[in-house]
Amino acid sequence: QQPVQSPQAVILREGEDAVINCSSSKALYSVHWYRQKHGEAPVFLMILLKGGEQKGHEKISASFNEKKQQSSLYLTASQLSYSGTYFCGTSAGANNLFFGTGTRLTVIP
Amino acid sequence: EAQVTQNPRYLITVTGKKLTVTCSQNMNHEYMSWYRQDPGLGLRQIYYSMNVEVTDKGDVPEGYKVSRKEKRNFPLILESPSPNQTSLYFCASSSYRDRAGSPLHFGNGTRLTVT
Repeated sequence: QQPVQSPQAVILREGEDAVINCSSSKALYSVHWYRQKHGEAPVFLMILLKGGEQKGHEKISASFNEKKQQSSLYLTASQLSYSGTYFCGTSAGANNLFFGTGTRLTVIP
Repeated sequence: EAQVTQNPRYLITVTGKKLTVTCSQNMNHEYMSWYRQDPGLGLRQIYYSMNVEVTDKGDVPEGYKVSRKEKRNFPLILESPSPNQTSLYFCASSSYRDRAGSPLHFGNGTRLTVT
């Protein structure tokens, strides 16, 4: 039930764009995105609910394709502060949230 | 300040010695959950609670117990810890019963080592 994230790791130069994908084998109700800095707790970025919406948070946005059971996180014009591990969490209903194994993003000057 | 507080931050113990990791939230959240994080495996849910006296198993509940006697507290109990429970543990909470639409607030984590 754990969603699959890709890529596992990515290295960017400041200003470059990145896409992180999250896919599930189950029908999804919602997708969460979190970022975790080394040694810290995961921090909420955004939630996308069933309905195929797209959301944005500064230069970070995401889409949710419920037919394909996929979500993508878009990071535009990356900054050094974007470095960290990104997790998607998926829910097929009201109870459990299953997290992916994470995508480690490193932004270099 | 709204927060989820876990204690202790670091814990080293020996096999078989019972331990409790505490978790408390001050946001009046109905939903609370425990996760363990291991390299390459992401965050895996151990137990969750939809409200007081309501708990259920997550993905990896074996070797763990929880209780929810008060809304703000959700302790994680390891009755007989084993080395394979060495991990980084996170407690999290969120509002609303339909938690699929609510952000999770995480505690700062507890790094447990069982020797």
